[in-house]
Amino acid sequence: AQKVTQAQTEISVVEKEDVTLDCVYETRDTTYYLFWYKQPPSGELVFLIRRNSFDEQNEISGRYSWNFQKSTSSFNFTITASQVVDSAVYFCALSEAIGANSKLTFGKGITLSVRP
Amino acid sequence: EPEVTQTPSHQVTQMGQEVILRCVPISNHLYFYWYRQILGQKVEFLVSFYNNEISEKSEIFDDQFSVERPDGSNFTLKIRSTKLEDSAMYFCASWDRGTRETQYFGPGTRLLVL
Repeated sequence: AQKVTQAQTEISVVEKEDVTLDCVYETRDTTYYLFWYKQPPSGELVFLIRRNSFDEQNEISGRYSWNFQKSTSSFNFTITASQVVDSAVYFCALSEAIGANSKLTFGKGITLSVRP
Repeated sequence: EPEVTQTPSHQVTQMGQEVILRCVPISNHLYFYWYRQILGQKVEFLVSFYNNEISEKSEIFDDQFSVERPDGSNFTLKIRSTKLEDSAMYFCASWDRGTRETQYFGPGTRLLVL
């Protein structure tokens, strides 16, 4: 069975601080996919990134970066120079397949508050 | 950019009533999903649907729930006899052949059962 753990529940930072959101996953599959979603106060789920298990390269997109470490089953997300608009709930998710059985298993989410 | 749409955005119903939540997936997508999120909690998988049948369902998806693709565009979730604990945000999602980055989520329907 697949499982995603986001041990941090709430994080509060001051604008311009860097913040890292942790994600640890469990799966028995050798091929799997990891995701991060953002849920702003308006409630929709905004896709941020997908990572394939066979691609351990870290990724940077503007102020966002992701650190995928298979050895520790972690897929952490860092926001550099945080802004108030980054305030949201962030979910890490895992899928063990692509296609018909590709359900996403979500973590409990981390509520990030960025204060001016 | 094409998007998944859901109606209604909000629904209030009395316990025991039937509700139908509607979704229009992206037109060339093949895989369809329903998820729910109880207020303040994580997003939970309910059911996946492919080739006009259920591919997988979770423990939550009991006999009170059903899904249907009545025509070429809509994908519906029916709750036969709502309970208080069915109050949640329900998200529809769709995916093409998995070649795209992710499942595309709709904006959600907030269901309140009184």
